[in-house]
This record gives sequence, C-alpha cells and structure tokens, in this order.
Amino acid sequence: ETGVTQTPRHLVMGMTNKKSLKCEQHLGHNAMYWYKQSAKKPLELMFVYNFKEQTENNSVPSRFSPECPNSSHLFLHLHTLQPEDSALYLCASSRDREGGQETQYFGPGTRLLVL
Amino acid sequence: QKEVEQNSGPLSVPEGAIASLNCTYSDRGSQSFFWYRQYSGKSPELIMFIYSNGDKEDGRFTAQLNKASQYVSLLIRDSQPSDSATYLCAVTGGGNKLTFGTGTQLKVEL
Repeated sequence: ETGVTQTPRHLVMGMTNKKSLKCEQHLGHNAMYWYKQSAKKPLELMFVYNFKEQTENNSVPSRFSPECPNSSHLFLHLHTLQPEDSALYLCASSRDREGGQETQYFGPGTRLLVL
Repeated sequence: QKEVEQNSGPLSVPEGAIASLNCTYSDRGSQSFFWYRQYSGKSPELIMFIYSNGDKEDGRFTAQLNKASQYVSLLIRDSQPSDSATYLCAVTGGGNKLTFGTGTQLKVEL
C-alpha cells in the first residue's frame, strides 16, 4: 500500500462505546496529524505528533485520546463520545513538523456517526 | 476575524472557462500557502503550494500569492466538469501548523 491509509472508513457507535481509529503512513514521514472535519466548518487540527512525541493538542476533549507508537502509526481512541462528535476524521502526515513548508498528505478519512 | 477566509460559493463556471478562487489570510507571518481539492465524501488532495510572491504554474493550475495584500488565489484554466469540487485554501505559519479555510465549492457546467 502507498500513501496514508485509515481504518475503518465508516464507524457508527453509541455514546457509551469505546472504539479506535487507525492511521498508517507509508511515506517515510515523521510527523502525523489528526483533523476533524464537520459540515460547513474548516478542518480543525486536533493533535500533532512529531517523531512519536505529541507536540500539539488543540484543546481537544479528553474523550479523544491519541496514541503514536511509532512514526508510521497513529491511533485515535474514542470513548463516551457525544452526537456532536460525528464528523469526518482525517489523518495526515508530513516529512516533519518544522520548517513551515512541509506538505501534508491526507488519508481517506473515517466517517464517524455517534448515536 | 477568521484566520483564513474563502467565499463558500458555489462558484459556477462554464466548461472551458477560467475559474478563479480566492483566499485571504490574517496572519502576516504566514509562510506557506496550499490549495487542496476535496471531492464530496473524499479527503483533501494537494493541488499546489506556493511560498513566494508571484505566480506559480502547474499545468492548468496557477497559484498567485500577494503577501502584502495577504491573499492567495488559484486559477484553473480550461475548466472541466471533473474540476467540480471544493477547493480548500490552507496557510502555515511557524511550526507547520496548517490553518484551513472553509473551502469554495466549484461547479463546472457543461
């Protein structure tokens, strides 16, 4: 596989469920990102990892818990979500976090519906 | 004030015409500017990036950057129906934090 992959592509969960989103990049990048995309809103950066270390948490509620075991894999653990958390969750990667000129490449996203 | 502003559209252009998409940003220290295309139900894909003032051409696409006026635009020449999508403008400052606009929906009509 090439590029950035995400699983599952679609997820329906109840508010009491626990689930995890997975992202894997095959580009040899060192930085990985989680974004949330809701209807009519700009893409919102949630978390950033650079060389496996979390470098940014954009005031994301604790019901979202990221994990980055290595530079190629990124997880987003979900628990006790709310219906307003329903959105498209996108993973992205870039060569690294610094420099300000690194292009980010996106995965296909996970469409999440919280009932 | 939104950090990155785009007209949500839809912008309708006839096939073969030039589509002009505009974006303004508030952070004068912004360094890099990206245009992503997003088809309905899909993830964003990079179209072009530009770092320096002026024009940058890639095939039918031209990105234009004016840092003094804090705007960046994307021109699509010979627009095709397959260009119909939402175009996202994204801007980075230091640390490679990408800030996105809400996107402009483009419709290319036959």
